[in-house]
Amino acid sequence: AQSVAQPEDQVNVAEGNPLTVKCTYSVSGNPYLFWYVQYPNRGLQFLLKYITGDNLVKGSYGFEAEFNKSQTSFHLKKPSALVSDSALYFCAVRDATGGFKTIFGAGTRLFVKA
Amino acid sequence: DGGITQSPKYLFRKEGQNVTLSCEQNLNHDAMYWYRQDPGQGLRLIYYSQIVNDFQKGDIAEGYSVSREKKESFPLTVTSAQKNPTAFYLCASSNKGSAGELFFGEGSRLTVL
Repeated sequence: AQSVAQPEDQVNVAEGNPLTVKCTYSVSGNPYLFWYVQYPNRGLQFLLKYITGDNLVKGSYGFEAEFNKSQTSFHLKKPSALVSDSALYFCAVRDATGGFKTIFGAGTRLFVKA
Repeated sequence: DGGITQSPKYLFRKEGQNVTLSCEQNLNHDAMYWYRQDPGQGLRLIYYSQIVNDFQKGDIAEGYSVSREKKESFPLTVTSAQKNPTAFYLCASSNKGSAGELFFGEGSRLTVL
């Protein structure tokens, strides 16, 4: 069975500092991994994904994520946080051999202080 | 513009009533999904469909039903059997095979009175 864990309910960071939002996953096969962002009362927006290849994936708005197979992790990072990055972030996983079923984590709220 | 349209945005229902949430996409995507979002629980998968006339249960399908008669449409019915239906419901679609990311609608907020 697929599962995703986001161990932090909230991450607080000062504007201009680097940020990391953590994600670990479990799948029986190879993973497809995704990060999404949600603003209040809106749908989710896609940020980036790992399918195969380079372990460091770059995405929208300056975000990047590092795939670590041995630690089954896919942490989201940004070198310099902006106040406008404050939102709810979701990690998601799909089993590459298991079709289209996509499972999300519980979400991490990022708060960037000016 | 291409995208996913969910309606209604807000819906109020009396206990014991069935309600149907609409989801339409004009992205020509094969797969469509319904998720439920509750505070602190993230998104939980209700149903998903990979092709027309076929769909699979997700992790919390009890009390819900879907149909996929057309590629662009994937309506969700919340039945009276759903014990706690008040939630934010999100529809999504994806393409590019199983590696494709999800595109989400703006959501429907259901409140049971």
